Amino acid sequence: EAGVAQSPRYKIIEKRQSVAFWCNPISGHATLYWYQQILGQGPKLLIQFQNNGVVDDSQLPKDRFSAERLKGVDSTLKIQPAKLEDSAVYLCASSLSLYEQYFGPGTRLTVT
Amino acid sequence: GNSVTQMEGPVTLSEEAFLTINCTYTATGYPSLFWYVQYPGEGLQLLLKATKADDKGSNKGFEATYRKETTSFHLEKGSVQVSDSAVYFCALRDNAGNMLTFGGGTRLMVKP
Repeated sequence: EAGVAQSPRYKIIEKRQSVAFWCNPISGHATLYWYQQILGQGPKLLIQFQNNGVVDDSQLPKDRFSAERLKGVDSTLKIQPAKLEDSAVYLCASSLSLYEQYFGPGTRLTVT
Repeated sequence: GNSVTQMEGPVTLSEEAFLTINCTYTATGYPSLFWYVQYPGEGLQLLLKATKADDKGSNKGFEATYRKETTSFHLEKGSVQVSDSAVYFCALRDNAGNMLTFGGGTRLMVKP
């Protein structure tokens, strides 16, 4: 079974630029999550989708972050404009059951 | 709100030593508890879980017991190997949804 795919794996941008990340969940997984993991910290949930609807986006900085999952399969997370403090690894995860989330390898973003 | 506190690392052990990584939590109700592991260059993987008080999760020689009276879920292994070197994250999921709250992670380094 293929795992959660993410691209790109690494991205370096200057502050005030925009960036987008892509995630393809495991086939059949209705729930998709985006997490932000700042160096030395645990992952923090940004947004959770159930099919193409948003379940929880309470910790998403909506002035600069947006995410969509138009067809209920793959998803994109966008940051516009980026700030230095957005430097982090962005993790995508998907789940079928309530208990186990499967994580992708992440996208490491560096904002200079 | 929910929170997870785990011991800071790095934890450095010799091969075949006994491992304990402490984890305590704050949550309302009866959350489910998890340990995730992140090997170098890879995504988070579920290591073990426990869904109710006194449950013991186990996998690959690792164990953790859900202790409601002490709100703890300490990770243990009797004899670590070099291949266990990774970052370990304790997490909880409350019963309101599928949102995971992570601790800050503990880096384990096992030397031959």
